[in-house]
Amino acid sequence: KAGVTQTPRYLIKTRGQQVTLSCSPISGHRSVSWYQQTPGQGLQFLFEYFSETQRNKGNFPGRFSGRQFSNSRSEMNVSTLELGDSALYLCASSFYPTDRGGYEQYFGPGTRLTVT
Amino acid sequence: GDSVTQMEGPVTLSEEAFLTINCTYTATGYPSLFWYVQYPGEGLQLLLKATKADDKGSNKGFEATYRKETTSFHLEKGSVQVSDSAVYFCARTSGGSQGNLIFGKGTKLSVKP
Repeated sequence: KAGVTQTPRYLIKTRGQQVTLSCSPISGHRSVSWYQQTPGQGLQFLFEYFSETQRNKGNFPGRFSGRQFSNSRSEMNVSTLELGDSALYLCASSFYPTDRGGYEQYFGPGTRLTVT
Repeated sequence: GDSVTQMEGPVTLSEEAFLTINCTYTATGYPSLFWYVQYPGEGLQLLLKATKADDKGSNKGFEATYRKETTSFHLEKGSVQVSDSAVYFCARTSGGSQGNLIFGKGTKLSVKP
């Protein structure tokens, strides 16, 4: 079974631009979560989608948004990029939503975003 | 709020040494607990999990036991290999209205031959 795939793997943008990242979950998984990983803040939860609905959102500004499609693929968008948005963005999928407990998340390789 | 605390790294060991990475979590609700591993340039891989008190998760020689009385989930391995060099993250499910994973800061392990 193929793992979680994320595209693109690397991205360089300039301040003020916007960016869209894509995530394809493991086949059959309906929950997709997004995380931001930085050296200073570590891994921080962005949002979770299940059956095309956002179930949870982390403590990030409204410039960060996402959506999920009927085939469970997900995209996240960051508008008006800032230097501090440079990070590794990780997508994870699971069969059930995370708050049902015990259902592990499987992570993709991430998209490395650099904002200059 | 919910949190996970891991021992600070880096940890440097010789091959075949015993490994312990400490992890404690806030005792709110009934979280599931996980250990993930991240190799350079890659995403996180699930190493093991435990869903209730006294459960022991194990995989690839690594073990961790869900200790409710000490709110701990320490990772252990009896004999590390060079290939175990990576960053290890302890995580818990969050409670309340937010269903997501809360991660520790990560512990970098380097194993020397």
